[in-house]
Amino acid sequence: ELKVEQNPLFLSMQEGKNYTIYCNYSTTSDRLYWYRQDPGKSLESLFVLLSNGAVKQEGRLMASLDTKARLSTLHITAAVHDLSATYFCAVDIRRGGADGLTFGKGTHLIIQP
Amino acid sequence: GAGVSQTPSNKVTEKGKYVELRCDPISGHTALYWYRQSLGQGPEFLIYFQGTGAADDSGLPNDRFFAVRPEGSVSTLKIQRTERGDSAVYLCASSLVGNAEAFFGQGTRLTVV
Repeated sequence: ELKVEQNPLFLSMQEGKNYTIYCNYSTTSDRLYWYRQDPGKSLESLFVLLSNGAVKQEGRLMASLDTKARLSTLHITAAVHDLSATYFCAVDIRRGGADGLTFGKGTHLIIQP
Repeated sequence: GAGVSQTPSNKVTEKGKYVELRCDPISGHTALYWYRQSLGQGPEFLIYFQGTGAADDSGLPNDRFFAVRPEGSVSTLKIQRTERGDSAVYLCASSLVGNAEAFFGQGTRLTVV
């Protein structure tokens, strides 16, 4: 059974600081997604990582994928309050020929002014 | 439409009743997914459609849950004899093809009282 573990599950940090969220998964996959969710809202796609060594950056967020270590990271640089949200990683494995995502529990991020 | 549309946005029902949740995917998207998100958790995969057929329904928790997509576009998730444990946000997502990036709707918040 595929397990996706994120840590930390809760993070409170100050504006201007850097931090990294980690996502470990238990089964081989070369397709990993990061999503953002604001309270009461749906999931917003942030990054799609499709190969070992993939690195993508958007503003203050940077995501990377190491398929050999089964690890993805989401790095936040010089955090700002607007980045407060819950961040999910999700892994895509083929379930008997079909596709579906297995999500981590999410990292609830609060950025204090 | 511009995005994935789900109706209703909120549904309160009594234990034992039958409910239907509707999803309108992005036009032209052949793949459609249903997920369930409980409070404080990541979304859990329920079922995946490729066109009109359910390619993978391994995530449906029991036979009270059923989903259809008769014309390969709109999908309906049906829950019979609802239980309080069915209370959650039900998310629908669609993608252009089965292994492409999925876009999520706003969800239907189901409350069983």
